[in-house]
Amino acid sequence: EVQLVESGGGLVQPGRSLRLSCAASGFTFDDYAMHWVRQAPGKGLEWVSGISWNSGSIGYADSVKGRFTISRDNAKNSLYLQMNSLRAEDTALYYCAKGAEQLVRMPDYWGQGTLVTVSS
Amino acid sequence: EIVMTQSPATLSVSPGERATLSCRASQSVSSNLAWYQQKPGQAPRLLIYGASTRATGIPARFSGSGSGTEFTLTISSLQSEDFAVYYCQQYNNWPRAFGGGTKVEIK
Repeated sequence: EVQLVESGGGLVQPGRSLRLSCAASGFTFDDYAMHWVRQAPGKGLEWVSGISWNSGSIGYADSVKGRFTISRDNAKNSLYLQMNSLRAEDTALYYCAKGAEQLVRMPDYWGQGTLVTVSS
Repeated sequence: EIVMTQSPATLSVSPGERATLSCRASQSVSSNLAWYQQKPGQAPRLLIYGASTRATGIPARFSGSGSGTEFTLTISSLQSEDFAVYYCQQYNNWPRAFGGGTKVEIK
């Protein structure tokens, strides 16, 4: 069974940094791309970032480009999102999602999310 | 950046009826389009990928069609568990992008 467990969320002041982690199990982690998707309270889904199986292909939403960095450690079955220069509009539930393929295309399994609140 | 537009925002349907949801891309995404279902308090679930291929375990009452810029998700006979929010997502271009969602509610 695919399991994705996010951690690292919390309350942070504007302009500060936060690092999210996602622990994956139940599948061969280094065979699949991974994604971060967020959902602001009461709003829709927003794709944030994705990374291919070997970290050779990485993409970001325009809203986070230059501030967020996605990475993975295949030896630890873990995905990360380094978030810098946080803004109020980054407040959301952040989902870690397994890609359906090696390349960054569509997610097929999702974690339960970790909440990030950016406020002074 | 490709913009995905879903319509209607809310669809009121009676159980047993057909529901037709639309998704439009601001430029062609070929058949690189997925559909997701999200129920309150839950993570999304993949329904359809490649515009028309059902994901593992998805009932046959869910079907997808379209290519290029116009896509449709059809639920042939709505069951109580199908009332939820549905999102489309393109994965043809960077950045990947979701539509704003269609809420399917009980009429």
